[in-house]
Amino acid sequence: EAQVTQNPRYLITVTGKKLTVTCSQNMNHEYMSWYRQDPGLGLRQIYYSMNVEVTDKGDVPEGYKVSRKEKRNFPLILESPSPNQTSLYFCASSFLETQYFGPGTRLLVL
Amino acid sequence: AQKITQTQPGMFVQEKEAVTLDCTYDTSDPSYGLFWYKQPSSGEMIFLIYQGSYDQQNATEGRYSLNFQKARKSANLVISASQLGDSAMYFCAMREGYISSGSARQLTFGSGTQLTVLP
Repeated sequence: EAQVTQNPRYLITVTGKKLTVTCSQNMNHEYMSWYRQDPGLGLRQIYYSMNVEVTDKGDVPEGYKVSRKEKRNFPLILESPSPNQTSLYFCASSFLETQYFGPGTRLLVL
Repeated sequence: AQKITQTQPGMFVQEKEAVTLDCTYDTSDPSYGLFWYKQPSSGEMIFLIYQGSYDQQNATEGRYSLNFQKARKSANLVISASQLGDSAMYFCAMREGYISSGSARQLTFGSGTQLTVLP
């Protein structure tokens, strides 16, 4: 089954404790991206990657890092999480037009 | 200026009736794509329908159709014969620029419309 998976689905952490949210897709898509969703704001892009070792900032990259060492994986790294990074995070991948989203990761930073 | 505007924070519709969710967009790029996604209470984002800026006909996918009015810069989603399972948040989104295998594909989302289907 073609899909985008994210782990963990739910995470509660404390300020400053480094965390990684993994994202993996099995569709051989070149393009992958991360979004965060906050109430009343829709989804906003954090980072994207057009291929292995090619990443770039989206609209809200501050406080996040990404890497793309393999085509299928695109982890999101929060080096020092802060409460304003409490959000619902989505990973997405696409070949051309349509982006397919993972199930989302709900993050709470205390 | 907002690139995607959804002016209806919430909508109610009776089961089996049709409903239109509004979306207006703002871009100066002649090449763009418009999308609608559904987000049920479980949280996942489900792709519904896509319309390209050069498409001559309105997109349709089953009970979903996109009423594309280019001159007015609107891309309203029409759901026919509403079902209880249609209750969800609906997002309109836009991708600007010509798409190719090497191009960025950032989606800009509206703030969403919460649709409730009444029995």
